[in-house]
Amino acid sequence: GAVVSQHPSWVICKSGTSVKIECRSLDFQATTMFWYRQFPKQSLMLMATSNEGSKATYEQGVEKDKFLINHASLTLSTLTVTSAHPEDSSFYICSASNSEKLFFGSGTQLSVL
Amino acid sequence: GDSVTQMEGPVTLSEEAFLTINCTYTATGYPSLFWYVQYPGEGLQLLLKATKADDKGSNKGFEATYRKETTSFHLEKGSVQVSDSAVYFCALIGGGQAGTALIFGKGTTLSVSS
Repeated sequence: GAVVSQHPSWVICKSGTSVKIECRSLDFQATTMFWYRQFPKQSLMLMATSNEGSKATYEQGVEKDKFLINHASLTLSTLTVTSAHPEDSSFYICSASNSEKLFFGSGTQLSVL
Repeated sequence: GDSVTQMEGPVTLSEEAFLTINCTYTATGYPSLFWYVQYPGEGLQLLLKATKADDKGSNKGFEATYRKETTSFHLEKGSVQVSDSAVYFCALIGGGQAGTALIFGKGTTLSVSS
């Protein structure tokens, strides 16, 4: 069964609204969670790294005020796309990690109208 | 910086055909190399890995050998099945830096028909 649960699997929203994506590790404590984004025919690109209880570290070019990441517990991280616009339409995928394991969620396809 | 280049798809094969998906990398130090697979509607799953030169990772009939001299980690399978239809990602964790963030290639879609 799934070790990392990501929800929702797909979402369609209007431009200007905010969307929250959840990533849960189901049977292990994830000290670190990663958020990736993939545009069509492009690589999965790392957006940010978050450690439980501390602020996320964002990759160059990723707007931290637009992509809010919260990692409040060892089993849950959320990514909120604020004031989404059509150019934010993409496939977002999380991964959860501790010193021994690294597992991926099933991804979220975001479409902004 | 570190990067991964893999062949573009889609790759379309008949059942029992031989599969090769090329992957080359650029990295400082000695990276660990991975192949991930994503079946339709599912998350990324680790298929196989190799952590040092000349290591061969294998799983489910798939194999890949870590070739430092050619900086490659090509994925092969001798006889593909319809159930192998998926997207395959080559990835690395850089050897010159701490942390576990993976660097991915663009993914290669494999479609196997009966």
